[in-house]
Amino acid sequence: NAGVTQTPKFQVLKTGQSMTLQCAQDMNHNSMYWYRQDPGMGLRLIYYSASEGTTDKGEVPNGYNVSRLNKREFSLRLESAAPSQTSVYFCASSSRKGSYGYTFGSGTRLTVV
Amino acid sequence: DQQVKQNSPSLSVQEGRISILNCDYTNSMFDYFLWYKKYPAEGPTFLISISSIKDKNEDGRFTVFLNKSAKHLSLHIVPSQPGDSAVYFCALNTGANNLFFGTGTRLTVIP
Repeated sequence: NAGVTQTPKFQVLKTGQSMTLQCAQDMNHNSMYWYRQDPGMGLRLIYYSASEGTTDKGEVPNGYNVSRLNKREFSLRLESAAPSQTSVYFCASSSRKGSYGYTFGSGTRLTVV
Repeated sequence: DQQVKQNSPSLSVQEGRISILNCDYTNSMFDYFLWYKKYPAEGPTFLISISSIKDKNEDGRFTVFLNKSAKHLSLHIVPSQPGDSAVYFCALNTGANNLFFGTGTRLTVIP
C-alpha cells in the first residue's frame, strides 16, 4: 500500500545547485500539494495542483517551480538552491478540491550548504 | 502573522490519563478543523476532524472540541497510551485549497 511516494528521502545541495523533488500518488486523487516544515513553524503550502493540468501558488512559492506531469505525479523544482530552503518537504494528495483529509508522503529532508 | 497557534510545544502525560492538546486561531473564516499526528521520519497522518457547525466530534479514544466564540480547538485523548507519543498538529481550512497548520505539540505518554 504505497499511498504517496516521495524521492529522494535525503539530499544535500550546494548553494546555487538545482534539483527536483519527485512525488507520486497511486490513490487516483485529483489534488496534490507541496508543503515545507521548518522548526518552530507549522507546515506551509508552497504550491498546489487542484487537478491535472493546473497549478497555483501557495503561501511560500518564491524560489520554487512545480509541474503536474500527469494525474499521479507532481514535482517540485529548486532552480538555484539557497540556505533558506533547508527544510523538510512534504507532498500530499486529496481526492478532490476541498477534501480535507490529506494523505502525506514521508518527506524529503533537504540541506543547502 | 501566525493564524493558527499551538502554545504548548510539548506535553507529558502518564499512561491511562487524559491528554489535552490545544489550538487557537484568529481567522473567523475557518470552517473545517482537523488534527494530524506525526511520528519521526514519517509524514503527518489525518486523525480526526470537525466542521464549524458542530462543537464536538468523537472517534474512539479521540474527541475534538470546537469553541467558535473563543476561536479555540482542543483534542482529548483518553486513555492515553505510549503509542500516542507523537507530534500533533491542528490544521484549519477556509474551504479554499490550503490547510493552515499550527506549530505542533510533542506529546509524550509515560508508561
